[in-house]
Amino acid sequence: GAVVSQHPSWVICKSGTSVKIECRSLDFQATTMFWYRQFPKQSLMLMATSNEGSKATYEQGVEKDKFLINHASLTLSTLTVTSAHPEDSSFYICSARGGGSNYGYTFGSGTRLTVV
Amino acid sequence: TQLLEQSPQFLSIQEGENLTVYCNSSSVFSSLQWYRQEPGEGPVLLVTVVTGGEVKKLKRLTFQFGDARKDSSLHITAAQPGDTGLYLCAAGGGGNKLTFGTGTQLKVEL
Repeated sequence: GAVVSQHPSWVICKSGTSVKIECRSLDFQATTMFWYRQFPKQSLMLMATSNEGSKATYEQGVEKDKFLINHASLTLSTLTVTSAHPEDSSFYICSARGGGSNYGYTFGSGTRLTVV
Repeated sequence: TQLLEQSPQFLSIQEGENLTVYCNSSSVFSSLQWYRQEPGEGPVLLVTVVTGGEVKKLKRLTFQFGDARKDSSLHITAAQPGDTGLYLCAAGGGGNKLTFGTGTQLKVEL
């Protein structure tokens, strides 16, 4: 089946630094990828939709300059948290969707970001 | 923005008990999905329901899509500790976005 690889699985960084998270579709081409944020014991909140070759679409309230998304190929999307602060600490999850099926959402295993 | 309200929010039961989780919305959906998520992992798809009134079974799990396609339920029979996790319903929206419900945290104890 479809596999999405997310890397790193966890990262600790200092305040003010930037962190890049990668999301790769391993055995299919993902025309669209999605980035979610999840706080402890809460549901997933969609941050942005990443479309290959075009600008990402951000959800209301998400700072596009803080959460930079790049989807340069059909198998890779990256989320960069710029100038990270402790309040950015969270669990970030990506999801990829190939062309065709309406139900083909595959999720990465998530990245635990801790900003100290 | 469509809202998917799940109830209950938290559920702690003993092994062997039955339970039902509900997912409700005022919007009509063409399809609805149920996921289960364990700590530190991404959500894993359990089922997709498409037709109003549809019932799908996955071992001890029974999923139902409401006739009006606005709500869904997940029933677990004879719960086991391995069923512990966060259960999420989700539905598609504009631009192929997948919106998740508020979540139900289930804990099954021995």
